[in-house]
Amino acid sequence: AQSVTQLGSHVSVSEGALVLLRCNYSSSVPPYLFWYVQYPNQGLQLLLKYTSAATLVKGINGFEAEFKKSETSFHLTKPSAHMSDAAEYFCAVSEGTSYGKLTFGQGTILTVHP
Amino acid sequence: DAGVIQSPRHEVTEMGQEVTLRCKPISGHDYLFWYRQTMMRGLELLIYFNNNVPIDDSGMPEDRFSAKMPNASFSTLKIQPSEPRDSAVYFCASLGFGQPQHFGDGTRLSIL
Repeated sequence: AQSVTQLGSHVSVSEGALVLLRCNYSSSVPPYLFWYVQYPNQGLQLLLKYTSAATLVKGINGFEAEFKKSETSFHLTKPSAHMSDAAEYFCAVSEGTSYGKLTFGQGTILTVHP
Repeated sequence: DAGVIQSPRHEVTEMGQEVTLRCKPISGHDYLFWYRQTMMRGLELLIYFNNNVPIDDSGMPEDRFSAKMPNASFSTLKIQPSEPRDSAVYFCASLGFGQPQHFGDGTRLSIL
């Protein structure tokens, strides 16, 4: 069975600082991995996805994530935080050969201070 | 592309009433998913369809919950009778070949 663990339910950074949101996964087959962002009162928006191509994946809004099989990790980073990055971030895994059924982590709320 | 459209955006009703949530997926997408989001349990997959056929309903909490997809452009999630513990945000998402899931803005359901 697949599972996702996001380390840290809340992360707080200053504007301009590095953003690092941690995600570890468990999967019995090569996984597809995703990061989604959720702004208040909105649905989830895809930031980036890993689909067994390059291990360093670049997404929207300056975010990127690196797939590390040996560590079963898929951490999300952004070199310089912006106030507009404040939101909740979800890591998700999909097993198998399709983009189908997703299992989500519990989410990490990112706060950005001026 | 109008995206995934959910209605209503907000629903407040009394315990025991029937609740119907609606979803219009993105045209051409052949998968449709229903999720529930709560503070305690996070995002849970309730059920998903492929080509209008339910594939996995193992996440549906009880017999009070039912979902249908009568055609490729419409799905409903019903709760009958509703209970206060059903209060949550319910999301619909759709997916097409080679694409990730696209989410609607959700229905915020409050059962009094």
